[in-house]
Amino acid sequence: KAGVTQTPRYLIKTRGQQVTLSCSPISGHRSVSWYQQTPGQGLQFLFEYFSETQRNKGNFPGRFSGRQFSNSRSEMNVSTLELGDSALYLCASSMTSGGAGNEQFFGPGTRLTVL
Amino acid sequence: GDSVTQMEGPVTLSEEAFLTINCTYTATGYPSLFWYVQYPGEGLQLLLKATKADDKGSNKGFEATYRKETTSFHLEKGSVQVSDSAVYFCALYNSNFNKFYFGSGTKLNVKP
Repeated sequence: KAGVTQTPRYLIKTRGQQVTLSCSPISGHRSVSWYQQTPGQGLQFLFEYFSETQRNKGNFPGRFSGRQFSNSRSEMNVSTLELGDSALYLCASSMTSGGAGNEQFFGPGTRLTVL
Repeated sequence: GDSVTQMEGPVTLSEEAFLTINCTYTATGYPSLFWYVQYPGEGLQLLLKATKADDKGSNKGFEATYRKETTSFHLEKGSVQVSDSAVYFCALYNSNFNKFYFGSGTKLNVKP
């Protein structure tokens, strides 16, 4: 079974631009979560989508948005990029949303550098 | 709110040494607890998990026991290898909020 895939793996943008990251979950998984990983802040939860609906949201500004398609693939968009948005963006999928022992499977991440 | 605190790294050990990485948590209700490992250039991989008090998770020689009385989930391995060098994350999942909370990560360096 293929794992979680993320594209692109690396991205370089300049301040003020916008970017879209893509995540394809494991087949059969309906929940997709996004995280931002930085050396200073560790892993910060961005949002979770389940069956095309945002189920949960972290404490990030409105410049960060996402969506999920009917095939469970998800995209994350960041508008008006800032230097501080440079990070590794991780996507994780799980079969369901919620439930004890809910296990997340992570993709390799997209490394975003904002110049 | 819920949170996870784990020991700061880096931790440097010689091959075959005993490993302990401390993890404590704060949570309402009865969370599930996880250890994830991240190798360079990769995403996180689930190492082990425990879903209720006194459960012991184990995998690849690593173990952790869910201790509700001390709100801890320390990771241990009896004999580390160079290939264990990675960053280890402790995490909890709280079904009340449907959220994962991650610790800051502990980098482990194992020298031959």
